[in-house]
Amino acid sequence: KAGVTQTPRYLIKTRGQQVTLSCSPISGHRSVSWYQQTPGQGLQFLFEYFSETQRNKGNFPGRFSGRQFSNSRSEMNVSTLELGDSALYLCASSGTSGGDTQYFGPGTRLTVL
Amino acid sequence: QKEVEQDPGPLSVPEGAIVSLNCTYSNSAFQYFMWYRQYSRKGPELLMYTYSSGNKEDGRFTAQVDKSSKYISLFIRDSQPSDSATYLCAMRTGNQFYFGTGTSLTVIP
Repeated sequence: KAGVTQTPRYLIKTRGQQVTLSCSPISGHRSVSWYQQTPGQGLQFLFEYFSETQRNKGNFPGRFSGRQFSNSRSEMNVSTLELGDSALYLCASSGTSGGDTQYFGPGTRLTVL
Repeated sequence: QKEVEQDPGPLSVPEGAIVSLNCTYSNSAFQYFMWYRQYSRKGPELLMYTYSSGNKEDGRFTAQVDKSSKYISLFIRDSQPSDSATYLCAMRTGNQFYFGTGTSLTVIP
C-alpha cells in the first residue's frame, strides 16, 4: 500500500505571498491531519479533516486554512506569509477504526524569505 | 502544564548500549500510545503503538506503558548508529493526537 505523499517537497516564498500544500493520504484513509514542525516548538497541530469536514482545529491564525476533497486528498493554504511560517509542514492520515494511529508523509519544507 | 512531557535530550550513547526514552502525561483519557522515529529532514515514521498497560516488543524495540503512573517508555536494545534520530512519543484520545517534543538520540560507533 502506498504511503502518504506530499507535494511539493520544498518551497521558497517571500513574505506576503500565499502558498498551497497538497497531501494524498493512504488509500482508504479518510482522516487527514496537518502539523507544523519547527525546532523550537516541535509538532503543532493545525487541523484535521474527515470526510471533507474539518473535525478539529489547533490554535493557529485564520491565515492557515485547509480543505479536503471527496477522494480524501487534502490541501492546506497559508496566506500572507510571515517569516515565522518557515517550517516543515507534515500531513498525517489515519483510518476510522478504534486503535488506529497516524501515518506521516515526508513533509513540505517551506522557507519564507 | 503540557499534555505530554518528553525530555528533549540530547542523548548520546555508544553503539550496543540499551537506550531508554520516556514520556509522562497528565490526561488519563489517553487510550493509545505511539512512538515515532524521525530522521533529520524527514517525516516521522511509526515505530510502535499500543493501547494497554504492559510491554510490547518488536525486534530490538520494547514499548512500555504504565497507565497508573501515566508514564510510557521506549527501550532500544543493542543500539546501532542507524538508530540516531529524534524519537517522538504520541498519545491519542478520541480523535485527538498529542505529541511530545521529541528526544534527540545519537548512537556513537
